[in-house]
Amino acid sequence: EAGVTQSPTHLIKTRGQQATLRCSPISGHTSVYWYQQALGLGLQFLLWYDEGEERNRGNFPPRFSGRQFPNYSSELNVNALELEDSALYLCASSPTGFPTDTQYFGPGTRLTVL
Amino acid sequence: GENVGLHLPTLSVQEGDNSIINCAYSNSASDYFIWYKQESGKGPQFIIDIRSNMDKRQGQRVTVLLNKTVKHLSLQIAATQPGDSAVYFCAELNYGGSQGNLIFGKGTKLSVKP
Repeated sequence: EAGVTQSPTHLIKTRGQQATLRCSPISGHTSVYWYQQALGLGLQFLLWYDEGEERNRGNFPPRFSGRQFPNYSSELNVNALELEDSALYLCASSPTGFPTDTQYFGPGTRLTVL
Repeated sequence: GENVGLHLPTLSVQEGDNSIINCAYSNSASDYFIWYKQESGKGPQFIIDIRSNMDKRQGQRVTVLLNKTVKHLSLQIAATQPGDSAVYFCAELNYGGSQGNLIFGKGTKLSVKP
């Protein structure tokens, strides 16, 4: 069974640009979570999508947005990039939106903002 | 990611010894706790979980202890192996309050000496 996949692996942008990160959940999983992992910090919750709808978002500005497609894959968009947005962005999926469903993580997309 | 271990508390143990990784969680109302392992260049991987109505749970070579009185969680790894070298994160979940998103701790880097 394929795990969670993310693309691209690395992304380099300049300040003010927009970045689009993609995530494909494990087959059959309906929930997708996005996390930001900045250097030396733990994982900060960004967004949660389940069945195509945004269920919850973390304490991030509106320029962080996303969506979930009918096939349950997801996109994270970051507008007006700032230097401090440089981080590893991790996507996780779980079978349903039940809180204690195990979240399975992808390898991440390393975003560098110059 | 590859730099996730910088600036983190580090635990260094000899191969074959037992490891104890500690975590202080923040919300006394949290109902569910998870330990994740993150190896360099990979996303976090689920290790073991425990619900708040339990104080101990054992897995294969791992044991999680929960002390709700002092809001403390620990992960014990028996007979630590070089493959256990990674950053370990605890995460907490409040069923009622967080609508499904996990709150992660900052992580502890485990280094196993051969």
